[in-house]
Amino acid sequence: RKEVEQDPGPFNVPEGATVAFNCTYSNSASQSFFWYRQDCRKEPKLLMSVYSSGNEDGRFTAQLNRASQYISLLIRDSKLSDSATYLCVVNRPGSQGNLIFGKGTKLSVKP
Amino acid sequence: ETGVTQSPTHLIKTRGQQVTLRCSSQSGHNTVSWYQQALGQGPQFIFQYYREEENGRGNFPPRFSGLQFPNYSSELNVNALELDDSALYLCASTLAGGMRETQYFGPGTRLLVL
Repeated sequence: RKEVEQDPGPFNVPEGATVAFNCTYSNSASQSFFWYRQDCRKEPKLLMSVYSSGNEDGRFTAQLNRASQYISLLIRDSKLSDSATYLCVVNRPGSQGNLIFGKGTKLSVKP
Repeated sequence: ETGVTQSPTHLIKTRGQQVTLRCSSQSGHNTVSWYQQALGQGPQFIFQYYREEENGRGNFPPRFSGLQFPNYSSELNVNALELDDSALYLCASTLAGGMRETQYFGPGTRLLVL
């Protein structure tokens, strides 16, 4: 089983659509969870951290289910500028600074 | 932007050569991590440096080595380059390297090994 597994994508959606990304992780001892966004040929940028209570930032909502080792990201009212690859990221327990990235899911928002 | 810079932006080398990639961390950040991102994959952790010492290492061979300097700049050195080393190399800095710390990525260096 991969350490961090994401929907393979790509997702092609019209503007205004709601899109959900799913991610599972294998190590139950992981404590930190993130969603990063990566534009084509650019570096990853932190979109949001994910907390057990769930968190929301504008049109973006992240959820964590520790029992199922599952993380999600919901984007509402998608914009053209949301087009990017979304990376699910989990820390490797016991290893400082070692983030484990999923392969990423590419999102294309069309007019 | 993140305040993390990397040089060069692009590099072409041949098999067997050695390469040094450079990173300048965000001001005040004493921890730097290096990642390798192959095409179509997520970044893979190479190692982390904290206060000029290696503080964690991923599953990469010893020919991948690093240095961190007192001014928080750092280097990634790769010896005996192989074709599979072609990738985007990213450095990321944090204030203290804790697991909850946000890592700020530089723009990366694209390495092509022929």
